[in-house]
Amino acid sequence: ETGVTQSPTHLIKTRGQQVTLRCSSQSGHNTVSWYQQALGQGPQFIFQYYREEENGRGNFPPRFSGLQFPNYSSELNVNALELDDSALYLCASSLNPGLAYEQYFGPGTRLTVT
Amino acid sequence: KQEVTQIPAALSVPEGENLVLNCSFTDSAIYNLQWFRQDPGKGLTSLLLIQSSQREQTSGRLNASLDKSSGRSTLYIAASQPGDSATYLCAAQIYNQGGKLIFGQGTELSVKP
Repeated sequence: ETGVTQSPTHLIKTRGQQVTLRCSSQSGHNTVSWYQQALGQGPQFIFQYYREEENGRGNFPPRFSGLQFPNYSSELNVNALELDDSALYLCASSLNPGLAYEQYFGPGTRLTVT
Repeated sequence: KQEVTQIPAALSVPEGENLVLNCSFTDSAIYNLQWFRQDPGKGLTSLLLIQSSQREQTSGRLNASLDKSSGRSTLYIAASQPGDSATYLCAAQIYNQGGKLIFGQGTELSVKP
């Protein structure tokens, strides 16, 4: 069984640019959640996707957007990058949304904005 | 608003010592509490998950407890080893807040040989 994978591992962008991060969910999982982890902080919930629809969102501006595809993989898009967007971005997949289903995390994508 | 707090932010102990990491939360409507390990620059590894109906969970040298009435969870590590050096994060899931995990800021543990 393949676990959660994310790509790329690292990337460097310039302020004002746009970035797309990718996540492949664990086999059989239809729900993907994204988290942002700034250096020295705990992860913060960005949003969750379930069956290709947004299913909950944290306190992040609209320039953070996402997609989920029919195979349940997901993308996180960030427009107009700011220096404070530098962070480790984690995705997690689960069998279903909601409290009863454990989330399994990928290795993360380290984004640096200069 | 649910807040999750971890104290201390950093901890250094000699090898072989037993230690306790603390996690507190403000909302008693907690569904479960999960402890994770994170190595530098890496993703999260789940260690233990405690349902609100449980009081503790054990895995090897790790024991996690949950006290909803006091809003506290502890992670006990027995006979610490240098390989235990990492950041430990606790995260809560709350009723009526969807499935999101609410994380503390973590405790960075260093076990010295």
